[in-house]
Amino acid sequence: QQQVKQSPQSLIVQKGGIPIINCAYENTAFDYFPWYQQFPGKGPALLIAIRPDVSEKKEGRFTISFNKSAKQFSLHIMDSQPGDSATYFCAASPGGYQKVTFGTGTKLQVIP
Amino acid sequence: EPEVTQTPSHQVTQMGQEVILRCVPISNHLYFYWYRQILGQKVEFLVSFYNNEISEKSEIFDDQFSVERPDGSNFTLKIRSTKLEDSAMYFCAAGTGGIETQYFGPGTRLLVL
Repeated sequence: QQQVKQSPQSLIVQKGGIPIINCAYENTAFDYFPWYQQFPGKGPALLIAIRPDVSEKKEGRFTISFNKSAKQFSLHIMDSQPGDSATYFCAASPGGYQKVTFGTGTKLQVIP
Repeated sequence: EPEVTQTPSHQVTQMGQEVILRCVPISNHLYFYWYRQILGQKVEFLVSFYNNEISEKSEIFDDQFSVERPDGSNFTLKIRSTKLEDSAMYFCAAGTGGIETQYFGPGTRLLVL
């Protein structure tokens, strides 16, 4: 029940394409859903996050779509660039000061 | 972005040895966390720490692990007797309050031989 399921495991897109990464959860206590971007040799960096009271959040080229009834959320990267090549983790937390539960990660490669 | 630093960046140790990993948050960080990432796998929560005591710990955080913040600045993770399966990247995270303020350090790569 604490798991966050993420797919696909890896993704290759052409520059300008729109990669989509999907996640699902079961624990209804989760109240905060961040996405992290991780480059090789670095720690995860918070990219964008959403709470379940909204269905979509957009920051620059990154958009989270959230479906509370289905317990699913996804990340879309508009006009993807080679510099977006990284591993992306969805995650969930009850919020506050509590731990973050990570998905399994998606390795994205954007080809020039 | 409030920076969290970690030392060492890499550590190689023999099985059975003790290791101490250090995290240096900035001065107004109040909440501290350790996570680990086995190569190619997801990031897993180990422990959270607030007000000089453990707030929550995972099943991974057994008696071989301990945390402390002895001098009010460095936050340390000690593994008493390392096992081969402890080989992983260990990330410290810290924040001023609320999950939105949680920032991850660059990690310490631990290799147990």
